[in-house]
Amino acid sequence: DAGVIQSPRHEVTEMGQEVTLRCKPISGHNSLFWYRQTMMRGLELLIYFNNNVPIDDSGMPEDRFSAKMPNASFSTLKIQPSEPRDSAVYFCASKLVNYGYTFGSGTRLTVV
Amino acid sequence: GENVEQHPSTLSVQEGDSAVIKCTYSDSASNYFPWYKQELGKGPQLIIDIRSNVGEKKDQRIAVTLNKTAKHFSLHITETQPEDSAVYFCAASRINTDKLIFGTGTRLQVFP
Repeated sequence: DAGVIQSPRHEVTEMGQEVTLRCKPISGHNSLFWYRQTMMRGLELLIYFNNNVPIDDSGMPEDRFSAKMPNASFSTLKIQPSEPRDSAVYFCASKLVNYGYTFGSGTRLTVV
Repeated sequence: GENVEQHPSTLSVQEGDSAVIKCTYSDSASNYFPWYKQELGKGPQLIIDIRSNVGEKKDQRIAVTLNKTAKHFSLHITETQPEDSAVYFCAASRINTDKLIFGTGTRLQVFP
């Protein structure tokens, strides 16, 4: 299994631009999570899906952030418009019932 | 709200010594406690976990203990090796939810 696949690995964009981060979970996993990691705030849960349905989006910082999971094998996290304070590493993780999370390698986002 | 505190934030040990990382959680309904290891440039990786019906679990050089009454759980690494150097995160989740709340992380350095 290739694990959780995230793309791109690195993204540098200008303030105000739209950014889309992508995630392919492990086949058969029924839950998917988006986390943001910064030095100041650590690992923060942004949103998670069960069976492609958003369950808890209370961690999404603002309306500028949105996430979708159109099918069991793909999810996106979109930031529009992006701001410098959005700079962070964004992780996607997936899991199967009664098993732990498997994280992807992350997307390092830099907004200048 | 749910909170997980982790100590220490940094830990330096000599190769061969033991390392202990401690966490406390606030939600008494939490019943699942995983530990993750994050190496530079990678996503967190599950190394061991424990559920609330067990007080201790061991896997080779690593062990986790849980005190539900005190709401404490700890990671113990024995015979540390340089490759154990990484950031370690504890986490907790409550019954019937997949949502993990992470501690702030411990940077472990093992010196040869």
